Parts: sequence; C-alpha cells; structure tokens
Amino acid sequence: SQQGEEDPQALSIQEGENATMNCSYKTSINNLQWYRQNSGRGLVHLILIRSNEREKHSGRLRVTLDTSKKSSSLLITASRAADTASYFCATDATLQGAQKLVFGQGTRLTINP
Amino acid sequence: DAMVIQNPRYQVTQFGKPVTLSCSQTLNHNVMYWYQQKSSQAPKLLFHYYDKDFNNEADTPDNFQSRRPNTSFCFLDIRSPGLGDAAMYLCATSRLPRSAQHFGDGTRLSIL
Repeated sequence: SQQGEEDPQALSIQEGENATMNCSYKTSINNLQWYRQNSGRGLVHLILIRSNEREKHSGRLRVTLDTSKKSSSLLITASRAADTASYFCATDATLQGAQKLVFGQGTRLTINP
Repeated sequence: DAMVIQNPRYQVTQFGKPVTLSCSQTLNHNVMYWYQQKSSQAPKLLFHYYDKDFNNEADTPDNFQSRRPNTSFCFLDIRSPGLGDAAMYLCATSRLPRSAQHFGDGTRLSIL
C-alpha cells in the first residue's frame, strides 16, 4: 500500500512537554503534508514539506523529512491543552493515473493539563 | 473568509433512503474531494474532481455518486444507504492535486 504509517498511534503527555510524531511511507514523493483534526471537525493543513527540503518550521511546529529513510517527523514544542487532536501525515501519489494525497492512520495526541 | 462549507453538519436518514450531502467553496480551487472517515480511521478518498474531470476511486461503492455543477459546488449522493455507510463525510478543496487541502467541518451521517 502507498499509505503512510504513523507512530505512535496514541501519545499522552503533560502540558509544556514536547510531542514527537513519526510518519513512514513506501514510495518516492514530491511532498509530504501534516494535518491536524480536532474531534468532530475537519482536517486543518499544518505544513507542507517538499522532497528537496529537510526541515521546515511554523511557530511551535517543526517538521523533518528524510527521503532516504522515507520518513518524516512532526515536533510540537511547549505543548498546550489546545494541541489535543489527531495528527495525520499525507503523501502525494499518482494512483490509477490521477494525482492524490494518501493519508496515514494518524496519531491521537492528548495533552494533559 | 474564504472557506469550505458543508451542509448539513448532521444528517439522519433511513436505511435505503437516498441522501445528498452538499459542499461549497469560496476559494475558487480547481480540485474538490469527497472523503469518508469512520471513527479513529484515516480519511478515505471516495472521488475527486479536477475541474470537470471526474476521478472515481476503484473501491468506492457504486452506491456513491457525485456531481459538480460548477466550480463552487459539489454534491455527494448515496443512492441506497446501508448501515455501513454511517460515517463522517468530509469535503476538501485544493488549488492543484498535490497542493495543501482545505477541509470543511464534515457531515456526520447516521443511518436508522
């Protein structure tokens, strides 16, 4: 399957700690994206990192990409209760002749106050 | 604000009774997507439109159809909903197929 796999499936940490989530994928990509989903809501795009980039920052978010290992990580620093959500990585793929994103299974992050 | 709007947020229908979910966008994006998401799972792509070009996923049931009458609107029709079709249905848009996607807040469909 082209689908990315995320690790861990669930993560629970204390407020103020850093949270790291990992994503692995199987085939070559043009870009990898991370999304957040709060309970009962749609997904929100966080960061897009291109295959020729190794690291990208956005506020308290840091994404790394290692194309040789076909893996990416999302680091959330100084976590807050509002960061509680599911986080999905998505890789671009060309399947059945059409370009599309394929989402991983997600990491459910819980920030404990 | 430019956004993706899905109506209704909650939809209840009876087993076998056709239902239509709607999505509109003010982003003027070329691509519109429909995803099905069940509890604690990844969104599963059902189909997408690149402008008027329709792309159906190989494993999307025949029971599911879509219409995109213009750039702004897209509809998901479920002809004869079964209990297994109860899920959150997410609409998304993007400028290009590999670009960042913008999601609506979804329609949660329940089947009685």
